[in-house]
Amino acid sequence: EDQVTQSPEALRLQEGESSSLNCSYTVSGLRGLFWYRQDPGKGPEFLFTLYSAGEEKEKERLKATLTKKESFLHITAPKPEDSATYLCAVQTFSGSARQLTFGSGTQLTVLP
Amino acid sequence: DAGITQSPRHKVTETGTPVTLRCHQTENHRYMYWYRQDPGHGLRLIHYSYGVKDTDKGEVSDGYSVSRSKTEDFLLTLESATSSQTSVYFCAVRGGDNEQFFGPGTRLTVL
Repeated sequence: EDQVTQSPEALRLQEGESSSLNCSYTVSGLRGLFWYRQDPGKGPEFLFTLYSAGEEKEKERLKATLTKKESFLHITAPKPEDSATYLCAVQTFSGSARQLTFGSGTQLTVLP
Repeated sequence: DAGITQSPRHKVTETGTPVTLRCHQTENHRYMYWYRQDPGHGLRLIHYSYGVKDTDKGEVSDGYSVSRSKTEDFLLTLESATSSQTSVYFCAVRGGDNEQFFGPGTRLTVL
């Protein structure tokens, strides 16, 4: 059974204080790992897809990295507007639905 | 937002009543998905569709049915709503690189 675990569950940072969120996964064959951002009362917003170990993607203050067992979302010099819940999800080669298995998310709060 | 709308956005209903949620997309995506999101469980797949009249079950499909008579519309029906189906429901479509784009969600409360 595919499993995705995110840590920490919640993280409070001061504005400008860099940190990392972790997504560890156990799957039979990874097709892709996805990061999303979710604001309260809204649907998840797609951020990145990573396909192979060693791959990195960047967008503004966010950088996602991937190893064979986990992914990190690095947040550099965060701002209050980066406050949100960050979700990761995995997609495997089994099945035709290309469905995603999600972790429970990390709730990030950036204080001014 | 990938042109996805969901209706209604909020609904309160009573146990035992049928409920239908609608997902509408404007960009002709073939694959569509219904998820529910609950605290501590993350997003879980209920049903998905891979074309008109082509649907299949996901992880938590008991008590739910779906229909897709047109490419743009994917309906989720709770045949007889129960309190355990109180949740936030999200529709998603699959993009060209297998990423999924989500709608704004429907908050359903079953009393």
